[in-house]
Amino acid sequence: QVQLVESGGGVVQPGTSLRLACAASGFTFSNFDFHWVRQTPGKGLEWLAVATYDGNSKYYAVSVKGRFTISRDNSKRILFLQMNTLRAGDSAVYYCAGTKVVGAATWYYWGQGTLVTVSA
Amino acid sequence: QLVLTQSPSASASLGASVKLTCTLSSGHSTYAIAWHQQQPEKGPRYLMKVNSDGSHSKVDGIPDRFSGSSSGAERYLIISSLQSEDEADYYCQTWGIGSWVFGGGTTLTVL
Repeated sequence: QVQLVESGGGVVQPGTSLRLACAASGFTFSNFDFHWVRQTPGKGLEWLAVATYDGNSKYYAVSVKGRFTISRDNSKRILFLQMNTLRAGDSAVYYCAGTKVVGAATWYYWGQGTLVTVSA
Repeated sequence: QLVLTQSPSASASLGASVKLTCTLSSGHSTYAIAWHQQQPEKGPRYLMKVNSDGSHSKVDGIPDRFSGSSSGAERYLIISSLQSEDEADYYCQTWGIGSWVFGGGTTLTVL
């Protein structure tokens, strides 16, 4: 059974750091590109970052570039998001999502999210 | 700039059909999009990819009641025989250069 479980969320003060993790099971993790997406309560989805299947290419949204770092450990089937210099505006539910495209077929797997609250 | 536009809300009666629209910005009318469903208090769930020619590909487990189509810069998600569990937020998403772009989402209410 495919499962993505995010962890590491919590309440932190502005200016501090947090590292999120996304543990995968039930599929071949190393075949999938992985993304982080966040959602402010009551709002829409915001794409943050992607690490390609082999970890060799990474891209970031302008809103987090230079503060957030995406990484992955294919041997342990885990995706990470290191978040530094957190701001109140970073408060959101953070989701990991894996995707693979083979010809006309596309797969997406989403996690259930972890809540990050940045507050003094 | 690549932008996806969705109506904030839609409603339809139980057992009826509804057509949700996602509009691609000017110059991007050939882009494919993906539809994702987010039920209350849950993570998103991928439904299908819709291509510019109107073809669509669903993942296993998505009911036949869900289908997709296209016209010009518009991509559609059609849900027939609406059920109460279809009440959810629906997001379209496409692919920028090394990134994803999401529409603002449509909240579907089943009456």
